[in-house]
Amino acid sequence: AQRVTQPEKLLSVFKGAPVELKCNYSYSGSPELFWYVQYSRQRLQLLLRHISRESIKGFTADLNKGETSFHLKKPFAQEEDSAMYYCALSPGGGGNKLTFGTGTQLKVEL
Amino acid sequence: GAVVSQHPSRVICKSGTSVKIECRSLDFQATTMFWYRQFPKKSLMLMATSNEGSKATYEQGVEKDKFLINHASLTLSTLTVTSAHPEDSSFYICSAPWTQVGEAFFGQGTRLTVV
Repeated sequence: AQRVTQPEKLLSVFKGAPVELKCNYSYSGSPELFWYVQYSRQRLQLLLRHISRESIKGFTADLNKGETSFHLKKPFAQEEDSAMYYCALSPGGGGNKLTFGTGTQLKVEL
Repeated sequence: GAVVSQHPSRVICKSGTSVKIECRSLDFQATTMFWYRQFPKKSLMLMATSNEGSKATYEQGVEKDKFLINHASLTLSTLTVTSAHPEDSSFYICSAPWTQVGEAFFGQGTRLTVV
């Protein structure tokens, strides 16, 4: 069975500090990994996916198959980054059903 | 703008009644939609896959007769919580994949409270 683990429920950092949101997964095949973000009172939206290898809003995430991890990183946190972040796995394709982690609440303090 | 619209955003109903939640894809057709349930401070749990023109596929442990899903058109899926009880109170979220874009879009969610 596939599983996504986000060990931190809450991560609090100061503005300008580096951020790393951890995500580990278990899946027997080659999954697609995603990070979704939910800002206050807004719907869930895609932040980035591993196949794109792009940086969105300064965030990056590298898929490490050896460690089965997909940690989300940003070198300098901004106040507007405060949100709920979910790591998710799909067996294949961005349109397929997703298995979500429990989410990490990021709070960026001034 | 939103590409998936979910309605209502909030509903309160009495025990024993049924509640229908709609999920519409606004800018694209979706032959498949997904329904998730989110418990407080927990992850989104996939309940079922809604398939246009055929029966929905339910995840293990989800009662088919309790959560009726109808995907009547390429832009609309509905979730009906039948004979609702307080333990059905939750946040329900739908998702529709836009295959041309290769991304799944989410509705704003429905907060169901059964009293």
